[in-house]
Amino acid sequence: AQSVTQPDIHITVSEGASLELRCNYSYGATPYLFWYVQSPGQGLQLLLKYFSGDTLVQGIKGFEAEFKRSQSSFNLRKPSVHWSDAAEYFCAVGPNQAGTALIFGKGTTLSVSS
Amino acid sequence: GAVVSQHPSWVICKSGTSVKIECRSLDFQATTMFWYRQFPKQSLMLMATSNEGSKATYEQGVEKDKFLINHASLTLSTLTVTSAHPEDSSFYICSARDSMTVNTEAFFGQGTRLTVV
Repeated sequence: AQSVTQPDIHITVSEGASLELRCNYSYGATPYLFWYVQSPGQGLQLLLKYFSGDTLVQGIKGFEAEFKRSQSSFNLRKPSVHWSDAAEYFCAVGPNQAGTALIFGKGTTLSVSS
Repeated sequence: GAVVSQHPSWVICKSGTSVKIECRSLDFQATTMFWYRQFPKQSLMLMATSNEGSKATYEQGVEKDKFLINHASLTLSTLTVTSAHPEDSSFYICSARDSMTVNTEAFFGQGTRLTVV
């Protein structure tokens, strides 16, 4: 079955500290992977995506993610967290077809402490 | 970048009435759009896939007669919550991918907060 697992429901990080949000996927075909961020009461904003090529992808707001096929993982990282990064983060997987919906993980809530 | 506009951003309605939510792709064509429902502190639950010019495809457990979907053009899909009840109160989000571009992500509307009183 196709699925996305985000093992951490809630993470708290001190401002300025590094961050890693975990994402594991189960997908039968070539996975196309995404990380989205959602602020309260808002839609989803794309942070980064992986389709092919370099397995380390850079995104907006200083985020990056590394695709590891052997581990079926696509973890999101940021070297120094800012208070404005507090939000809900969703990992998603899907085919490269516009007519197919993405499969989302349950999300990880990031809190940033001062 | 590509934008999906969703309207209204919030709505309060009385039980038994119907509410229509619009989802527009502003600068790309989308033969398919997706409607999600999100409960507080939870992930997005796919409700249905909206297909331009044909019937929507509903996920298991979603009542198609309650959640009417119309995709009349390549840039507009609507979700109508009919005979709304308090349990329909939720956050509804639409999404679309550019039908003419490869390697494209899904773009999301800003969501609609529906409160049924």
